[in-house]
Amino acid sequence: QVQLQESGPRLVKPSETLSLTCAVSGDSVTTTSWWSWIRQPPGKGLEWIGEISDTAFTKYSPSLKSRVTISLDKSKNQFSLNLNSVTAADTALYLCAKHGPGYSFGFWGQGTQVTVSP
Amino acid sequence: EIVLTQSPGTLSLSPGERATLSCRTSQSVSSSSVAWYQQKPGQAPRLLIYATSSRATGIPDRFSGSGSGTDFTLTISRLEPEDSAVFYCQQFDGSSYTFGPGTKLEIK
Repeated sequence: QVQLQESGPRLVKPSETLSLTCAVSGDSVTTTSWWSWIRQPPGKGLEWIGEISDTAFTKYSPSLKSRVTISLDKSKNQFSLNLNSVTAADTALYLCAKHGPGYSFGFWGQGTQVTVSP
Repeated sequence: EIVLTQSPGTLSLSPGERATLSCRTSQSVSSSSVAWYQQKPGQAPRLLIYATSSRATGIPDRFSGSGSGTDFTLTISRLEPEDSAVFYCQQFDGSSYTFGPGTKLEIK
């Protein structure tokens, strides 16, 4: 059974960079799959941020593309999110997920709440 | 970007009744790219349906999906108290994923 666990700072200052990591167990990030970051502002819906493949190919949401970088660390079996120039609008629960079956997200982490505040 | 709308915003039904949740996309999408999720308070979303009508592993057959083009439906038959949650639809257009705003299902 695949398990994902997000980690990183819970408080980030405006204009700084939000950095999170998703540790994967029960599977390898180098198997044929895609891995995504998704976020959920308080009391709101889900927003896809971007994805990375097992070969480190990335795709990003058009609305966040200029500020997002997703990377893969095969040695630690994890993938990471960097979101720069954050504002209060980036305050959200950040979730990582594994793709599949099909074009869906079948496995999710529990999420980590990140607040952007001075 | 394809926009998803869901209706109704809130649905209040009794145990044993049938719930019908609608998801409409701003452009026609492939049936292989539509999924549905259930999210309870304090929990991550759980995949219910993928490729419009395929149930994910462990999902009871009370949950079913249908639709094509721009109109998709999640049906929950024989509602149980634990079905109370927010339900999201999602699509993939070949380059990005988008989610609907959600339907809140309340069990009386």
